[in-house]
Amino acid sequence: AQSVAQPEDQVNVAEGNPLTVKCTYSVSGNPYLFWYVQYPNRGLQFLLKYITGDNLVKGSYGFEAEFNKSQTSFHLKKPSALVSDSALYFCAVRDLTGTASKLTFGTGTRLQVTL
Amino acid sequence: KAGVTQTPRYLIKTRGQQVTLSCSPISGHRSVSWYQQTPGQGLQFLFEYFSETQRNKGNFPGRFSGRQFSNSRSEMNVSTLELGDSALYLCASSLAPGTRGPNEQFFGPGTRLTVL
Repeated sequence: AQSVAQPEDQVNVAEGNPLTVKCTYSVSGNPYLFWYVQYPNRGLQFLLKYITGDNLVKGSYGFEAEFNKSQTSFHLKKPSALVSDSALYFCAVRDLTGTASKLTFGTGTRLQVTL
Repeated sequence: KAGVTQTPRYLIKTRGQQVTLSCSPISGHRSVSWYQQTPGQGLQFLFEYFSETQRNKGNFPGRFSGRQFSNSRSEMNVSTLELGDSALYLCASSLAPGTRGPNEQFFGPGTRLTVL
């Protein structure tokens, strides 16, 4: 069964500093990986995805993620954090069988960016 | 382009009642998935519909059911509500899988269900 792990419940970073939110995955086939962000009382917003190709994926709001097959990781990064980036971040893996699919989410990492 | 809409946004029910939640996907999206989000269990997949057919189902009891209409709108129903069903129910839509793999899902704001 596919799974993702987010080892950190919370990440604290000062505004202007780089940030990393960690994610590792376990899949039996090709990994289709996603990052989503959730602001309070809101649904999830898509940030970026890795399907195939370049290991460095660029996404919305200046975020990027690095796919590392040997380490089975897909860490989310941003060179310079903003206070407005404070939110709950979810890594997810998509299992695709024919036209059936489902997302399996990690437990989420709360990012707190302070001045 | 309008996003995914879910109605109602908030619901309060009592144990034993049933509830129906509605989801309208982004125009042109034919795949609709439902997820349950709770503080204890996190985000869990309920089911996925594509072209009015349930394509995948998560590990939930039969009290949870859904359907999809010809216009891709979807409903989910929970019967005989239990306190533990209190959660944020999220609907997501996406295009059919492309040749390079699955497309991203776009989520609605969710329906907050409280069971008393």
